[in-house]
Amino acid sequence: DAKTTQPNSMESNEEEPVHLPCNHSTISGTDYIHWYRQLPSQGPEYVIHGLTSNVNNRMASLAIAEDRKSSTLILHRATLRDAAVYYCILRAPSGGSYIPTFGRGTSLIVHP
Amino acid sequence: GAVVSQHPSWVICKSGTSVKIECRSLDFQATTMFWYRQFPKQSLMLMATSNEGSKATYEQGVEKDKFLINHASLTLSTLTVTSAHPEDSSFYICSARGGLAATGELFFGEGSRLTVL
Repeated sequence: DAKTTQPNSMESNEEEPVHLPCNHSTISGTDYIHWYRQLPSQGPEYVIHGLTSNVNNRMASLAIAEDRKSSTLILHRATLRDAAVYYCILRAPSGGSYIPTFGRGTSLIVHP
Repeated sequence: GAVVSQHPSWVICKSGTSVKIECRSLDFQATTMFWYRQFPKQSLMLMATSNEGSKATYEQGVEKDKFLINHASLTLSTLTVTSAHPEDSSFYICSARGGLAATGELFFGEGSRLTVL
């Protein structure tokens, strides 16, 4: 699997934007970039994914570098409920023998 | 969105007993399910890949005779921790990849916390 690297932790103040980076320099041309987050004592939940173009949904935005070797998850206005561990993983299209593995992720701390 | 449900959400058992954890895809057929284990303040560690109708594929270092996985239907996979010991205490999480997820989106269960006394 292509590997991703993320900072161990980041901090933000409530109501401020948060930019969570992810490096994936060995990404292949067909890998999708997925972001998940895990709240304490819960299973991970899907946040957003993209292939080449930037993506927006109700939870977040995903900015993908032109060379696709990095991406940034953007939370436009952090809330206390956004405090979680955020994982960036690469996903091959369904049908392949892809095994989804997780790195350490970024622990986001949100200050009131 | 698609829903994956795990049961039980938590379980406490005595050392030497076996515990079964169920993972169900509620509104889609999951041809492949993944089982993870997570220790406190650590990331998810993939234990095995479960494919419907065939034997599970275990990751290196995971004992297949201790962690029995059965994926007998397209909506149910089970993980049985046999002869559990305190070191098996962990947070177990399943995820499913369904046919509707053309982009490979994963759906996760809520997790099952196992405590072995």
